[in-house]
Amino acid sequence: AQSVTQPDIHITVSEGASLELRCNYSYGATPYLFWYVQSPGQGLQLLLKYFSGDTLVQGIKGFEAEFKRSQSSFNLRKPSVHWSDAAEYFCAVGSTFGNEKLTFGTGTRLTIIP
Amino acid sequence: SAVISQKPSRDICQRGTSLTIQCQVDSQVTMMFWYRQQPGQSLTLIATANQGSEATYESGFVIDKFPISRPNLTFSTLTVSNMSPEDSSIYLCSVERDSPYEQYFGPGTRLTVT
Repeated sequence: AQSVTQPDIHITVSEGASLELRCNYSYGATPYLFWYVQSPGQGLQLLLKYFSGDTLVQGIKGFEAEFKRSQSSFNLRKPSVHWSDAAEYFCAVGSTFGNEKLTFGTGTRLTIIP
Repeated sequence: SAVISQKPSRDICQRGTSLTIQCQVDSQVTMMFWYRQQPGQSLTLIATANQGSEATYESGFVIDKFPISRPNLTFSTLTVSNMSPEDSSIYLCSVERDSPYEQYFGPGTRLTVT
């Protein structure tokens, strides 16, 4: 079965600094990969997705992620964070064996300091 | 994307009682999902609800505790039965839309059991 690891439980960055959130997956075939953001008291919002093709994908709110098959990684990046980016970020992987389910990582909480 | 609403947004319930959570989508979808997010945790899939068939429950979740209805392609309900404090969580519904495994989430229902 597929699994997702987000090694960083909590990250603190200064406003305006760059950001990289790590995500590693365990899956035998080409996965469907997603990043979601959950602001306090809110549901999950889809930031971006990777299915195939160009390994660098652009998402909403200035986020991008790069799929690296050799490292089984799908790290999320943003060149300059804003205070409104403070939230919980979840990486998720979808199986290509047709069970239509997503497996979520444990999440990374992002704190922005002035 | 999809516009998804949930009712109630939050509730405080007595142990031993039941609560039914509603999920409404702005257009027809085949697959709907119900998740539980315990405090400070990631998402755990409870069940998949397809219109016209019985819900499919994940390991550790049973129909007697979490009965689900899916009467049409835009609506579903999840009931949390005979509640205990351990059921205190956020319950989220999601739908699959646009691409396989691409899910959009409702805002969640925050349940506190006393």
